[in-house]
Amino acid sequence: KAGVTQTPRYLIKTRGQQVTLSCSPISGHRSVSWYQQTPGQGLQFLFEYFSETQRNKGNFPGRFSGRQFSNSRSEMNVSTLELGDSALYLCASSFGETVVETQYFGPGTRLLVL
Amino acid sequence: ELKVEQNPLFLSMQEGKNYTIYCNYSTTSDRLYWYRQDPGKSLESLFVLLSNGAVKQEGRLMASLDTKARLSTLHITAAVHDLSATYFCAVDIPRGSQGNLIFGKGTKLSVKP
Repeated sequence: KAGVTQTPRYLIKTRGQQVTLSCSPISGHRSVSWYQQTPGQGLQFLFEYFSETQRNKGNFPGRFSGRQFSNSRSEMNVSTLELGDSALYLCASSFGETVVETQYFGPGTRLLVL
Repeated sequence: ELKVEQNPLFLSMQEGKNYTIYCNYSTTSDRLYWYRQDPGKSLESLFVLLSNGAVKQEGRLMASLDTKARLSTLHITAAVHDLSATYFCAVDIPRGSQGNLIFGKGTKLSVKP
């Protein structure tokens, strides 16, 4: 069974640009969550999508947005990039139908903002 | 605000020794997760603890949960070099839907021969 895949794996952007990251969940999983990992702040929850609807949202500015498609694939978008957005962005998938499930993480997209 | 605190944040051990990593959280939650992360890699699920008194073991790692004390422990028995990694505990925000984990800062474990 294929795991969670994320593209691209590495990305370099400059301040002010925008970026779109993609996540394909494990087949059959309908919940996709996004996390930001930085050395200073650690792992922080961004948002979660289930069946194309945002179900939960973390404390990030509106520059961070996401969506989920009917095939459960998800994208997250960051507009007007800032230096502090440099991070490893991880997505995780699960069936999402109960509150008791393990999330499976993808390899991440490492974003560097110059 | 839910806070999750791990200690220690750094741990250097010798092979063969035992040690415990602690994870305290600040509000009611019945679900606690342990993950492992190798350098440059993603997170690997280790344990899901779902109720007070839950204990799970896999190889040299054993995790337990005390929901009354809001404390989980990850015990390492007879450490080996392959266990070197960063270990995270995470707690669900108790809103009835999952996918919303609050992580501790992680414990970077280094096992030396």
